[in-house]
Amino acid sequence: EAGVVQSPRYKIIEKKQPVAFWCNPISGHNTLYWYLQNLGQGPELLIRYENEEAVDDSQLPKDRFSAERLKGVDSTLKIQPAELGDSAVYLCASSLRTGSNTEAFFGQGTRLTVV
Amino acid sequence: TQLLEQSPQFLSIQEGENLTVYCNSSSVFSSLQWYRQEPGEGPVLLVTVVTGGEVKKLKRLTFQFGDARKDSSLHITAAQPGDTGLYLCAGWGYQKVTFGTGTKLQVIP
Repeated sequence: EAGVVQSPRYKIIEKKQPVAFWCNPISGHNTLYWYLQNLGQGPELLIRYENEEAVDDSQLPKDRFSAERLKGVDSTLKIQPAELGDSAVYLCASSLRTGSNTEAFFGQGTRLTVV
Repeated sequence: TQLLEQSPQFLSIQEGENLTVYCNSSSVFSSLQWYRQEPGEGPVLLVTVVTGGEVKKLKRLTFQFGDARKDSSLHITAAQPGDTGLYLCAGWGYQKVTFGTGTKLQVIP
């Protein structure tokens, strides 16, 4: 069974440009997460979806970041305009449900470099 | 906001040595997970502990959840180069998961 698929793997853009990341979760997983991870640090949650509903977006910088999960399956995360400080790895994860004991399965991430 | 501090931040040891990684918080968690992340990959779940005082063993790895469910430790016996990676603890509370600050382990052959 395929795991969580993210694309692109790498992206280099100039500051002030827009960028989008795509995530295809594991089939049947209702919960989808987007995380931001700086080098050598733990992931920080940006947004969590239950099916197509964003149930926790409190840490999403809404002035420049947006996300959607159409039909409760694939998801996209967009940054417009990108800033130098947005350079990081953006991880997508999915799980069957939300709650303790839930195992989250992560994609390989998209490494964004803003120059 | 629930914070999880891991220590040490970096660890470089020789193959065959033992080590312990700590994960501490002032908050109580309903469960705690440990993940390992290799370069260029996403984190992969190693274990989940749910009961205060619980100890779980996974081959050479021993995980312990504190009695008060505020802290956890990961002990590796006879470390091998394949253990190299970023170790992350993650605590569940109020339907949310918070990741720790991470411990980068390097095992030198």
